[in-house]
Amino acid sequence: GESVGLHLPTLSVQEGDNSIINCAYSNSASDYFIWYKQESGKGPQFIIDIRSNMDKRQGQRVTVLLNKTVKHLSLQIAATQPGDSAVYFCAENRAGGENKLTFGTGTQLKVEL
Amino acid sequence: DSGVTQTPKHLITATGQRVTLRCSPRSGDLSVYWYQQSLDQGLQFLIHYYNGEERAKGNILERFSAQQFPDLHSELNLSSLELGDSALYFCASSVAGTGTLETQYFGPGTRLLVL
Repeated sequence: GESVGLHLPTLSVQEGDNSIINCAYSNSASDYFIWYKQESGKGPQFIIDIRSNMDKRQGQRVTVLLNKTVKHLSLQIAATQPGDSAVYFCAENRAGGENKLTFGTGTQLKVEL
Repeated sequence: DSGVTQTPKHLITATGQRVTLRCSPRSGDLSVYWYQQSLDQGLQFLIHYYNGEERAKGNILERFSAQQFPDLHSELNLSSLELGDSALYFCASSVAGTGTLETQYFGPGTRLLVL
């Protein structure tokens, strides 16, 4: 049959506003989570990571929040800039597993001037 | 720039053909991972090599194979190509392998188009 492209959720924000991108994961045994940014025509670029023994981690303009109870991850980007426009993926990994990353579907972030 | 290199950037070939994609990990990294990114499947793990040995297999077709050489570069071989194999193929690397949870750094990818 005809293949259909993944429908990416899209988040549109105004330049200078804060962005919050959400991710639900399914494996309660996951121990390690990474956010990647993928610009058109490029490979996924590491943004920030967090381990399951933490619930918050901050980087430069980015914060990741982890809620293990509801298996939810979020990426907050402060003062969003046009250069932040990209697809954002969360990925999970599990200790004692195969060390493979399982990726979410991705969210398209569009920054409007 | 992640430090992971992949060649070629683009590859156009015909159904039934065979191609080889090449990856050089970041300096010092012993693990190489291959992922496929297609429109309908997203980013999917294919295979993981650590210091020359296969460590894990994901959704990799039997027509596909990989190896990691003593200098730690890796090649992904795709044979009997079908239209549905058209995708972006990414290589990632990390310092160690199984038993640790580490960031994987991705290369720029090879875009494969099968006609």
